[in-house]
Formats: sequence, C-alpha cells, structure tokens
Amino acid sequence: QSVLTQSPSASATPGQRVTISCSGSNSNIGSNRVNWYQQLPGTAPKLLIYNNNERPSGVPDRFSGSKSGTSASLAISGLQSADEADYYCATWDDNLNGVVFGGGTKLTVL
Amino acid sequence: QVQLVQSGAAVKKPGASLKVSCRTSGYSFSTYAISWVRQAPGQGLEWMGWISPYNRNTHFAQKFQGRVTLTTDTSTSTVYMELRGLRSDDTAMYYCARRGGLSNYFDPWGQGTLVTVSS
Repeated sequence: QSVLTQSPSASATPGQRVTISCSGSNSNIGSNRVNWYQQLPGTAPKLLIYNNNERPSGVPDRFSGSKSGTSASLAISGLQSADEADYYCATWDDNLNGVVFGGGTKLTVL
Repeated sequence: QVQLVQSGAAVKKPGASLKVSCRTSGYSFSTYAISWVRQAPGQGLEWMGWISPYNRNTHFAQKFQGRVTLTTDTSTSTVYMELRGLRSDDTAMYYCARRGGLSNYFDPWGQGTLVTVSS
C-alpha cells in the first residue's frame, strides 16, 4: 500500500479538463512540497510539476498543480490523446525520512 | 543537454548481486545527487535512495538499508547502484534520476534498466 493515495484510474474525452488527486498526511503532503510525474507507456517517468505548482521548461501550461492541507491535485486542461499515461504524485515524508510516491493514476483519453 | 544513460538489462539468480551504472553528462557531476527508483512489473514507483557525488553522502529508504550500496566515479561522471541478496520480488525496472538541488524532485531520469531475478 502506498503512503500517498491516488485513484487508480481516470478518464475524459479530448478537450475536457481532468483532475487527479493525491491524498496524504501531515507528515508528508501537509509539510512538504509535492511533485508530479508523467509516465507514458513503455517509457521512463518525466517530471511534470515540481514544488506543488511549478512547471519545468517545456511542460505546457495545460498542466497545473495545487496543494491544500494534506492533499494535492494535478489538473490537465484541453486534454489530448498524447496525455494518456500514468501519473504519480511524490513528496518527502518526515516520519519515514524518505521520498514517497502515490500508487499512480492511469489516465485514459476516451 | 542533461542526460543519464544506464547500463543494459540483466538476468540474475536468487541470492546474487546486481550492479547497475548510470552515466551522466551535460552538467557538473558534483552539483546534484543521483537517486534510484524502481518499478516492479505493472506496479508503481518506489524510491530506493540517493548519493551526493560531492561528498559521497548517501541516504536510503529504510527498506533498502544494508542491502544497497551507491558509489560514484567522478572520472566518468557515473553512479553505480549495487543490490545484494536478490529475490524474485526484486524483479523490476530500475531508474536513476537527478535530484533537483536540495529539493526532492527528480529530473531528468535515465532510460531504465530491466532486472529479472529468476532461477
């Protein structure tokens, strides 16, 4: 069982907006910054959002991140078929003294 | 551009040891820690630990303490991950990734090294 909880799956049609949530606790999301990774099928993960809501160079502004209390969210607007991937949240956990990942959300573009 | 290139796939027997390399380029090797993350088939990501090439300090997830060793070769800007006492549940894709300064995000990632543990 992952320390951070994500819904296993999400789906939406092209052009729609979808939100992926990540739930944690005071020892992880509640006191540390959240990062999001996108893993396209058969490829290595790629950093999508860091420090809760910052986008690395090259990541479209269709992707946005937010954090409130012990939960974080990744929003994708103007959904495209190329966005079909697994999405993982991650952060530091003060109790475990290490990086923890969510179990991942598989996004299907219908 | 920053690149991390890992060694090729490996098949190991239970009880054996594994050593995976991660050759970096495109930046000052000493400046950023290198982390290791693994992914069992069909499963999620699991952080294993990291090493700072600057002072060779390491930090591991509790699960891997005592079974993983991380080392560096500054002459080739390469990090090595050794995992001992392999079991079937160590079968996974192993990734190296550069840690973002003092932050805990990883960017970029290596292409991954598939390790299969089977008798």
